[in-house]
Amino acid sequence: ESVLTQSPGTLSLSPGERATLSCRASQSVSNNFLAWYQQKPGQAPRLLIYDASSRATGIPDRFSGSGSGTDFTLTISRLEPEDFAVYYCQQYGTSLLPFGQGTKLEI
Amino acid sequence: QVQLVQSGAEMKKPGASVKVSCKTSGYTFSDYYMHWVRQAPGQGLEWMGWINPMIDVTNYARKFQGRVTLTRDRSFRTAYWELSGLSSDDSAMYYCAREGTSQEWDYWGQGTLVTVSS
Repeated sequence: ESVLTQSPGTLSLSPGERATLSCRASQSVSNNFLAWYQQKPGQAPRLLIYDASSRATGIPDRFSGSGSGTDFTLTISRLEPEDFAVYYCQQYGTSLLPFGQGTKLEI
Repeated sequence: QVQLVQSGAEMKKPGASVKVSCKTSGYTFSDYYMHWVRQAPGQGLEWMGWINPMIDVTNYARKFQGRVTLTRDRSFRTAYWELSGLSSDDSAMYYCAREGTSQEWDYWGQGTLVTVSS
């Protein structure tokens, strides 16, 4: 069973700065079936990135995903105030569908 | 547009069962798997299981096998999740999520809060 480990646990930045979030899998992710979700308080998660680097519909281009194998990165090029939230990575396309524990992006 | 609307909050006693619905619109219900996810207060996301609405096949996370039942009603375009033997550890927000064409989870319900308390 693959385990996803996100780092850092909390990231403190300011609007306008660049954010780099990491997700490491204990086993290689087949077909780069790795997604990133954003969750704000009191809301359901929202899909940002799938297939490791494809932006979901309506997601601004300041969000980008990269990586392959076991190491993946979500980059937010210039933080906007609405980007401060919790971010989760998830592996899909397998019989088990693990999530990372989340990275809290705070001002 | 695609929408997933879940049933309202539930309060249950320990040992009871709860059934939550996820009513869909804006797409062909049978063509997409539906997943269920749990989020305990202040915690992360935990996958529970999926259902293939077309052929009524299910798959459950090991942790929930034997306690969770996923069903669907194609005529009502609705998926259901039922959990039995509730304990306080089951107090959480529960979400349904549609699996999209690339296996990503592209649409989510708004969540249903289940509280288990004596």
